[in-house]
Amino acid sequence: DADVTQTPRNRITKTGKRIMLECSQTKGHDRMYWYRQDPGLGLRLIYYSFDVKDINKGEISDGYSVSRQAQAKFSLSLESAIPNQTALYFCATSGQGNTEAFFGQGTRLTVV
Amino acid sequence: GQQLNQSPQSMFIQEGEDVSMNCTSSSIFNTWLWYKQDPGEGPVLLIALYKAGELTSNGRLTAQFGITRKDSFLNISASIPSDVGIYFCAGRSPGGSNYKLTFGKGTLLTVNP
Repeated sequence: DADVTQTPRNRITKTGKRIMLECSQTKGHDRMYWYRQDPGLGLRLIYYSFDVKDINKGEISDGYSVSRQAQAKFSLSLESAIPNQTALYFCATSGQGNTEAFFGQGTRLTVV
Repeated sequence: GQQLNQSPQSMFIQEGEDVSMNCTSSSIFNTWLWYKQDPGEGPVLLIALYKAGELTSNGRLTAQFGITRKDSFLNISASIPSDVGIYFCAGRSPGGSNYKLTFGKGTLLTVNP
């Protein structure tokens, strides 16, 4: 079983719909992250959390929100999806004092 | 924000050839990481570097943390078809509780059998 699990793996949704992407981890890490990947742009940080209920904006947080109600779970929401949010989304974790990030398998989101 | 330039953007090589890619930063980093992403999967950590000048190997992969702390390279020797994928560098800047990583835009590697 994967240490960092994302659900769903693929999702197609309509413009204006609310959608939530889930991430859970079994690594016992404090820190969790949401990244967005677009072709040619690499990975860009959306939000990150260092502990339960701790929320910090990344470089591209507009249009997104997150929730960290438990150490093992970090969810990303698009309140009103728009087509330019079509992308590959990755959740990642890292341990305290350790900067390596471990990634989930990704969620491919398409907004039509 | 920090600028991290990764090159080349893509490479097409023959099986058995050696590969080199690098990243340069506009500011110093105290950690450099190299990841590989297979199609349809998340990035997987290949090598982590924590000290300027550090040279680390992982099988056919070798990476170095530049002396200036603003650059790093990754070499792959004797490439094989399963080396195909996107390679990302990532760096962390020193100071405070900044554990965020800055990622390069990736190098797409294609290996022809």
